[in-house]
Amino acid sequence: FMLTQPHSVSESPGKTVIISCTRSSGNIDARYVQWYQQRPGSAPTTVILQDTRRPSGVPDRFSGSIDSYTNSASLTISGLQTDDEADYYCQSYDDDNYLVFGGGTRLTVL
Amino acid sequence: EVQLLDSGGGLVRPGGSVRLSCAASGFPFSHYAMSWVRQAPGRGLEWVAALSGSGGASNYAVSLEGRFTISRDNSRDTAYLDINSLRGEDTALYFCARGWNVIDTWGRGTLVTVAS
Repeated sequence: FMLTQPHSVSESPGKTVIISCTRSSGNIDARYVQWYQQRPGSAPTTVILQDTRRPSGVPDRFSGSIDSYTNSASLTISGLQTDDEADYYCQSYDDDNYLVFGGGTRLTVL
Repeated sequence: EVQLLDSGGGLVRPGGSVRLSCAASGFPFSHYAMSWVRQAPGRGLEWVAALSGSGGASNYAVSLEGRFTISRDNSRDTAYLDINSLRGEDTALYFCARGWNVIDTWGRGTLVTVAS
């Protein structure tokens, strides 16, 4: 299966942005979805685990959700800050434990 | 503090081999699966391989054609990725990561450049 993300999104500081991740086949709620943030020139960091869990240290401005109707996962970032400007990747896995990453979404905070 | 320190990258000739290392600290290493993920210049993340905590189970991205081997030494808290028959398209930043289906911690990455 594939995970499809928008190439880019942009929003103003203080606003809310939602990044989608659509699974091409199989049910989105069959396997956990993770979200990773990668700032320019840095390694990825995990911002959402297991669909909705925030690792320690990730602000509650970041939240994850699953929508079975659209077969997609979403990352919502509220109260946008310039520091949130980064690439965001969703990730899931199949029944044989092969990992799949989405193509990534470039978030620009204008 | 959980830390992963990737190393071993560098300039390698096409057809050559390289061993990447990932030194872990701050957690019971043998209790966790480990993965490798790579990122070609200007591209997205690509999963490479994963290995269980005991080392008894592993998986590889189908596209890699058997040139990659993941292993670990739990007595040294270190994971490894061996890559053989290197090609230009293997040029990438290689990240080690804690976890298999769910990754919670990433190393800083080590750069492998394949060129003559």
